[in-house]
Amino acid sequence: EAQVTQNPRYLITVTGKKLTVTCSQNMNHEYMSWYRQDPGLGLRQIYYSMNVEVTDKGDVPEGYKVSRKEKRNFPLILESPSPNQTSLYFCASSLSRSSRVETQYFGPGTRLLVL
Amino acid sequence: AQKVTQAQTEISVVEKEDVTLDCVYETRDTTYYLFWYKQPPSGELVFLIRRNSFDEQNEISGRYSWNFQKSTSSFNFTITASQVVDSAVYFCALGPGGTSYGKLTFGQGTILTVHP
Repeated sequence: EAQVTQNPRYLITVTGKKLTVTCSQNMNHEYMSWYRQDPGLGLRQIYYSMNVEVTDKGDVPEGYKVSRKEKRNFPLILESPSPNQTSLYFCASSLSRSSRVETQYFGPGTRLLVL
Repeated sequence: AQKVTQAQTEISVVEKEDVTLDCVYETRDTTYYLFWYKQPPSGELVFLIRRNSFDEQNEISGRYSWNFQKSTSSFNFTITASQVVDSAVYFCALGPGGTSYGKLTFGQGTILTVHP
């Protein structure tokens, strides 16, 4: 089954304790991306990656790191989480070729609470 | 800078009514992509459509249709004969045309509630 998986789905942590949210896709997609969703602010892109070893900042990259060492994985790293990073996080992937109809697959989301 | 505006924060309709969700965008790019996503109460994000700025043909998929008007920088989404299952938050998004996706800018979302 084609899918994007994220782990953990729910996480409560404390300020300053490093954490990693994993994202993996099984569709051999080149493009992967991380978003955060906050009430009243909609979805904002954190980082994206067009292919292995190619990453770029989205709208709100501060406080986050990513890496793309393998095509299937795109982990999101919070080196020193703060309460303002409490949010719902989504990972997404898609093919990166130009075509009329393209499907972007989203993971189920990770709810993060930073105390 | 790119910007997407969904002026309708919330819309409430009765089942079987038609409803149009507005999306207005701003970009300096000559080529770009526009998207619509659906987020039902369960929380997952569902991709609905991707449209290239060169393609101004209207798109219809079942009860869903999209009207792209480059002259007014709008990409509106219409649901015909709405159903309770259409209740969700709908997001419009804008992406650069140099690559298929890249940095996406989302609108604030429109909460659609369809009453039985």
